[in-house]
Amino acid sequence: DADVTQTPRNRITKTGKRIMLECSQTKGHDRMYWYRQDPGLGLRLIYYSFDVKDINKGEISDGYSVSRQAQAKFSLSLESAIPNQTALYFCATSDQDNYGYTFGSGTRLTVV
Amino acid sequence: AQSVTQLDSQVPVFEEAPVELRCNYSSSVSVYLFWYVQYPNQGLQLLLKYLSGSTLVKGINGFEAEFNKSQTSFHLRKPSVHISDTAEYFCAVSGQNTGGFKTIFGAGTRLFVKA
Repeated sequence: DADVTQTPRNRITKTGKRIMLECSQTKGHDRMYWYRQDPGLGLRLIYYSFDVKDINKGEISDGYSVSRQAQAKFSLSLESAIPNQTALYFCATSDQDNYGYTFGSGTRLTVV
Repeated sequence: AQSVTQLDSQVPVFEEAPVELRCNYSSSVSVYLFWYVQYPNQGLQLLLKYLSGSTLVKGINGFEAEFNKSQTSFHLRKPSVHISDTAEYFCAVSGQNTGGFKTIFGAGTRLFVKA
């Protein structure tokens, strides 16, 4: 089993719909992150959480929300999806020393 | 504020040739430096990291990188590439900022290895 599991792997949704992307990890890490990848822009941080009671906005949090249900689970929601949220979304984890991230395989989201 | 610049968006190279992927960063604090690789339809995988100590860092798959503090660079090198090295490579920097400990990624460099 993968250390960081994202579901779904692919999703097509309509404009205005609410959608949730889920992430679970078996690394035992406290820190979890959601990134968005767009061609030519690299990875941009949406939200991050350093423990279950800690939620922080990243550089592009508008239009997104998150929930840290447990140490191992961190979900990302798009309350009302719009086409420019079409992207590849990655969940990642790290330990407290931030010696590198472990990434999930990604969710490819298309908003039509 | 931290920033990362990957100087080449695409690098084509022939199989068995050497390659260098360039990365420059800016930061006013001590940093950790990373290279990640992303194969098609996969997530990012940590290739190597510099935390402290020796400036030459060896990673997986025969890659290495050299931390140059005076030039604020962390270029990735491999002496002889294989077709299977075709992927996108991301440089990243982590450091303490006023907003906390942050990691910034570069825009990525696509490495194409040709037969």
